[in-house]
Amino acid sequence: NAGVTQTPKFQVLKTGQSMTLQCAQDMNHEYMSWYRQDPGMGLRLIHYSVGAGITDQGEVPNGYNVSRSTTEDFPLRLLSAAPSQTSVYFCASSYWGGTGGYTFGSGTRLTVV
Amino acid sequence: AQKITQTQPGMFVQEKEAVTLDCTYDTSDPSYGLFWYKQPSSGEMIFLIYQGSYDQQNATEGRYSLNFQKARKSANLVISASQLGDSAMYFCAMREGAGNQFYFGTGTSLTVIP
Repeated sequence: NAGVTQTPKFQVLKTGQSMTLQCAQDMNHEYMSWYRQDPGMGLRLIHYSVGAGITDQGEVPNGYNVSRSTTEDFPLRLLSAAPSQTSVYFCASSYWGGTGGYTFGSGTRLTVV
Repeated sequence: AQKITQTQPGMFVQEKEAVTLDCTYDTSDPSYGLFWYKQPSSGEMIFLIYQGSYDQQNATEGRYSLNFQKARKSANLVISASQLGDSAMYFCAMREGAGNQFYFGTGTSLTVIP
């Protein structure tokens, strides 16, 4: 099925460990983004990309890296996990300026202990 | 200043009744889009409805309608004939201008009572 595929769905990390959250879309969307969702704070933008080879920071980029080598893939790397990064992470994609909004992945629930 | 404000952390509605979820926004850009998303307990984000700043009529999608009051900068979601499956978190979001960055509100938790 067409859409945004996020893996893994759940992950537990120890403080200081690194990991990569995977995101892939097969809709040829130019725009991809990563959000984190914390209780009472809605969704906050971490990083985004407007096309292959182009990335930029969002509202809360510290502690995270991204790259966009292809249109389809947009992985999010946690460099050295901290308990403050315990959250639910969503990858989303869209056409540029589309009226249909984002298509979201199913989310990754990350716990850092 | 918050771009999107949702002032109702939780709402209750009787099954088959209508309910309005409030959303106000802040932008100086004349071109923007307003969106509502539903997040059930399973966690996925589901797009519900879109309203463009230049749209003359309020958007409707089935039982969902968006009460767009441009001068008041409000974009309230109206759900008619509530169903038990409508119980979820609802997020209002805005995209400014030609960009694709979305600003989300903090959400409203809706519970439909049988």
